[in-house]
Amino acid sequence: DIVMTQSPDSLAVSLGERATINCKSSQSVLCGSNNKNYLAWYQQKPGQPPKLLIYWASTRESGVPDRFGGSGSGTDFTLTVSSLQAEDVAVYYCQQYCTTPFTFGPGTKVDIK
Amino acid sequence: EVQLVESGGGLVQPGGSLRLSCAASGFTFTSYAMTWVRQAPGKGLEWVSTVPGGGSDTYYADSVKGRFTISRDNSRNTLHLQLNSLRAEDTAVYYCAKVYYDISGYYPIDSWGQGTLVTVSS
Repeated sequence: DIVMTQSPDSLAVSLGERATINCKSSQSVLCGSNNKNYLAWYQQKPGQPPKLLIYWASTRESGVPDRFGGSGSGTDFTLTVSSLQAEDVAVYYCQQYCTTPFTFGPGTKVDIK
Repeated sequence: EVQLVESGGGLVQPGGSLRLSCAASGFTFTSYAMTWVRQAPGKGLEWVSTVPGGGSDTYYADSVKGRFTISRDNSRNTLHLQLNSLRAEDTAVYYCAKVYYDISGYYPIDSWGQGTLVTVSS
């Protein structure tokens, strides 16, 4: 099974400042014949289901603000919120969808400082 | 508009059974794999099971293999999850979700239901 880890567990960032979350997979998620990283990022706010933000490690889902960006390849990935807004307070999860089980990271909680 | 509406959750004793359902609308049901993801109270997300559009193959997390069964009724646009031999650690909100897939493999979850709570307790 591919194990996903995230760091930090939580972080507090001032409004307008950058938030950076890291995700690491125990083996490469560069899968399939399309040479893509099978890595997604989700945002979950309290009492709501998760919402897809980023897929293929760096492709923003339709409607997601461009302050959210994804990068990385192979086993190391980063989600960046370039200018944190109040509505970005949430838990963020990475997930690999390369092979079953489609494992999630443990989550990173983002708050306002 | 995509809609995924779960039902069937509730309180069940350890060792008991429950059947969850998910009514899907707003998309071509047979073109998508369907997935269950669960979240224990105050905890993270755990992928549980996936079934492709044709329903012939099924995939399970080791934690539920042999106890849970995923199935789909493509004539009724409905997804099911049969939960048997339930344990306290199965207590969670169970989300129904849709996943596109093609020859290159699976895609990420692009739509989620609101979830249904399963509580396993005596």
